[in-house]
Amino acid sequence: EDQVTQSPEALRLQEGESSSLNCSYTVSGLRGLFWYRQDPGKGPEFLFTLYSAGEEKEKERLKATLTKKESFLHITAPKPEDSATYLCAVHSNQAGTALIFGKGTTLSVSS
Amino acid sequence: DAGVIQSPRHEVTEMGQEVTLRCKPISGHDYLFWYRQTMMRGLELLIYFNNNVPIDDSGMPEDRFSAKMPNASFSTLKIQPSEPRDSAVYFCASNTPASGVNEQFFGPGTRLTVL
Repeated sequence: EDQVTQSPEALRLQEGESSSLNCSYTVSGLRGLFWYRQDPGKGPEFLFTLYSAGEEKEKERLKATLTKKESFLHITAPKPEDSATYLCAVHSNQAGTALIFGKGTTLSVSS
Repeated sequence: DAGVIQSPRHEVTEMGQEVTLRCKPISGHDYLFWYRQTMMRGLELLIYFNNNVPIDDSGMPEDRFSAKMPNASFSTLKIQPSEPRDSAVYFCASNTPASGVNEQFFGPGTRLTVL
């Protein structure tokens, strides 16, 4: 069964304190791994898609990386506006076109 | 483009009442997804459509839930009768994988409270 696990559930950082969020996955053939950001009271907003191990994508203070078993979302020198819940999702060969989401990591950055 | 539109944004109802949630996908998108989000279970796929046809409804929790897509620009998710455990945020999303990217675009969600 396809599965996605994110850790930690919650992370508190000081402004400028870099860290990483983890997404571990077990799927029968990975077609893509997705990172989304969700602000309170809003729908998830797309950040990145990664397709193969070794691939990296960057956007401002965020960098996503992918291995055969997990993905990391690295946050460099975060700011308070980076506070949100970050969701990881996978698209597998068995899931048709559907995505399977992890439960997310809630990041709080204080100034 | 206005993005995915959902209505109502908030719904409070009594147990046993019928609830209808509405979604307008992004124009040109041929896939539409309904998700439910709770603290305990996270974001769960309920059902998805391709070209207005339901493809996978294995996530629909029980017969009280039904979804329709009468045309390319409108979909409904109905709960009848509603129960307190149905309280959650319901999201609609759309995409068009033909573009080569499976990115899904989410609406703002409907927060449902069943008393």
